[in-house]
Amino acid sequence: EPEVTQTPSHQVTQMGQEVILRCVPISNHLYFYWYRQILGQKVEFLVSFYNNEISEKSEIFDDQFSVERPDGSNFTLKIRSTKLEDSAMYFCASSEIRDNYNEQFFGPGTRLTVL
Amino acid sequence: LAKTTQPISMDSYEGQEVNITCSHNNIATNDYITWYQQFPSQGPRFIIQGYKTKVTNEVASLFIPADRKSSTLSLPRVSLSDTAVYYCLVVNSNSGYALNFGKGTSLLVTP
Repeated sequence: EPEVTQTPSHQVTQMGQEVILRCVPISNHLYFYWYRQILGQKVEFLVSFYNNEISEKSEIFDDQFSVERPDGSNFTLKIRSTKLEDSAMYFCASSEIRDNYNEQFFGPGTRLTVL
Repeated sequence: LAKTTQPISMDSYEGQEVNITCSHNNIATNDYITWYQQFPSQGPRFIIQGYKTKVTNEVASLFIPADRKSSTLSLPRVSLSDTAVYYCLVVNSNSGYALNFGKGTSLLVTP
């Protein structure tokens, strides 16, 4: 069964450093998403991406964040200058959307720890 | 999108049927009801989606009454591995594709 993959599984970084989280969505999916989950809290939507541009973003997704699809398979989330409060599990998801049916397939996540 | 309300936690014994009810009083005509499951340290996983009446798949059933103001996720004969958080979401592609997760229902299955 096809699945979304994410690398690395765990990233530790110093405050102020840039990090890039990588995702390989399911190959025939056209919609891509990033979510995050701070430890013990709910899953929060960050951004969705379609046709090489951002289609929606939340208030969390400020100028420190960017997304890119650098090639035909990868989808990346960049945090320009990490803050302590960026420590969270980051989930990538992808979907193909048919009418109102939008099953999003989530990856295993990248645990980001900012020191 | 309609706000959802579901119990914070539920307990069950192995082999029992578990029903988790979600209320969404302000659901709109074009809204669908979707349930996701999340195990610790894993991404959410889609379980089932429905619009009205009953939907069944290999994992669960979803019951939606005629007024659609609530829905019930039914897990038949749960096992220990069904211990997870279950999220009820109202989705509407006209409002975008972002999933708005609440706190969900934490289900604990014990022997």
